[in-house]
Order: sequence, then structure tokens, then C-alpha cells
Amino acid sequence: GIQVEQSPPDLILQEGANSTLRCNFSDSVNNLQWFHQNPWGQLINLFYIPSGTKQNGRLSATTVATERYSLLYISSSQTTDSGVYFCAVELGTGGFKTIFGAGTRLFVKA
Amino acid sequence: DGGITQSPKYLFRKEGQNVTLSCEQNLNHDAMYWYRQDPGQGLRLIYYSQIVNDFQKGDIAEGYSVSREKKESFPLTVTSAQKNPTAFYLCASSSRGNEQFFGPGTRLTVL
Repeated sequence: GIQVEQSPPDLILQEGANSTLRCNFSDSVNNLQWFHQNPWGQLINLFYIPSGTKQNGRLSATTVATERYSLLYISSSQTTDSGVYFCAVELGTGGFKTIFGAGTRLFVKA
Repeated sequence: DGGITQSPKYLFRKEGQNVTLSCEQNLNHDAMYWYRQDPGQGLRLIYYSQIVNDFQKGDIAEGYSVSREKKESFPLTVTSAQKNPTAFYLCASSSRGNEQFFGPGTRLTVL
């Protein structure tokens, strides 16, 4: 089956630093989403980005579907950015089956 | 308010018991999903449903059952056949082919 790999698995940043999170997937996909899971477990939608580039404040994302990867950029990180970031792909072979990556655990130090 | 609700927030079960987790949405979404998350891990798909009265197994369906009798509701039953049911369960919904939105989750603990 399709493999979804996220890197790095863990990341520690000083407040104000920038970072790039990566999501690689091994097969064609219909859709790709980025989520932030807060300490209470709630998944917060960041981007719905099957292709192209989107920006929302300090966050931006780029998906290159032909090369099977997506990047999430966090600029001027804040302590509230801490948590786990997941990418999730919806398979390209019909239906809505969705596969999540294992996540990147981010800790931003004050 | 529009959104996805899950209940209960915390659930304790004795071994050998079946329990049912509730998921309701008022977003008029066609598709609904159940995921399981173990500590420090990503989400794994249990079941998903594209329309009423239809659902498909995900990657870890053994020991679980679902029904989709109404568009708004997608309850998940954790049966006694599930060997290790202690986990965080998340429900999601989406319009067909669009982004998924998640409920707040149910934490199930087997005593």
C-alpha cells in the first residue's frame, strides 16, 4: 500500500526561528491535508493542498504532486506552534480512504 | 453551531464488554470516518462511509463495527473481539472529495 513518510520526526526550535516540515508519499493521491494536533488532541485544519502553494499568516504549504511530496513552512515560530503536525493523503484509486503520516513533533522554546 | 460532536469524552470499559462511541455532524457532509490513535503515533483508519447505508473497512477494522443509518450519524462499536481497544478515537467528516474536519475525540480505557 501507499507509504506516507514525514520528516523530521522531532524538531526543537527557538522562538522566532523558521522551519520546514516534509511529507513524502509513494503513490498518486487525490488530496493532501496538513493538520496541527494540539495538546488536548484536537486536530486543527491547516491546509487542504492537493497541489500548488497556499499561505495563511506565518504558515505556508507547497505540494508537488508529480514528485510526490509536500512541504509545510513555519516562519517566526511561536510557543503556541508546539504540537504534532500531520500530513494526510486521500488515495487516488476511488473512495475516500485516507492515510496519515506518523507526524512531526515540534517543540518551540521561549 | 456547525460542527462534529463526539461523546462521551472519556469512556471506561471492562474487558469483554462492547461499547459504542457516538459521532454526529450537522455540516451536511456525505462522508464520515473513524480513526484510532495510539500514544505517540499517527492516525489509522478504522472505517469510512461515503453515503448513507454504505461503509468500507479501513486498515484496522477487525474488532470494530459501524452503521450509517442517517447522514448525520456514524456510531462506532468497539467489540470484545478487539484485543487492545485502549486508544484515542477520532471521528471526521467531509464533503465528497474535500477536506476532512475532525471532532474532539473519545478516550477509551479498558480496565
